Amino acid sequence: GENVEQHPSTLSVQEGDSAVIKCTYSDSASNYFPWYKQELGKGPQLIIDIRSNVGEKKDQRIAVTLNKTAKHFSLHITETQPEDSAVYFCAACHQAGTALIFGKGTTLSVSS
Amino acid sequence: DAGVIQSPRHEVTEMGQEVTLRCKPISGHNSLFWYRQTMMRGLELLIYFNNNVPIDDSGMPEDRFSAKMPNASFSTLKIQPSEPRDSAVYFCASSFGQLYGYTFGSGTRLTVV
Repeated sequence: GENVEQHPSTLSVQEGDSAVIKCTYSDSASNYFPWYKQELGKGPQLIIDIRSNVGEKKDQRIAVTLNKTAKHFSLHITETQPEDSAVYFCAACHQAGTALIFGKGTTLSVSS
Repeated sequence: DAGVIQSPRHEVTEMGQEVTLRCKPISGHNSLFWYRQTMMRGLELLIYFNNNVPIDDSGMPEDRFSAKMPNASFSTLKIQPSEPRDSAVYFCASSFGQLYGYTFGSGTRLTVV
């Protein structure tokens, strides 16, 4: 089955800097790659997703890139703000497989 | 829409007791997922349903765990008997299908003592 590896496990940046979180997946059939943000005491919330027919997708300060050949996708956050501090999860799945399989998460801390 | 509603928010129970967690998905969503979150293992898929039918329950730890979805607006996850290692946050999520964004509930924090 699918296995998703996520790095780094923790990331500390200064306000205004960029943050990059990377994930690799094992099942070449996977074609849906969402990212979730989880704040303390809450459930994960979808922030952006990408499908295998697209290489990059942007939404204001966040962007996701996908390299299907390398089975690798990344989350980029620019101009980070203290409210970006949270745990971020990547995930992957495909129609014929099971539901989303999540990475172990990255704790992002943005200091002002 | 009120989102995915889970109850209770917190549950403390003694080892050996039966625990039932409840979930109301978003109206119109046809897929429902149960996940368990721990520090050591992260977010683990337990089971998911499409149109109220269980599709994959390979993540259910053992026979002590069972899940049902009697109709499109309600699902339960039951643990009987509960053990301390079952302590975790249990999330329910719903969506229009596997390949669409999942909406998670606020979770149930289960503590088995």
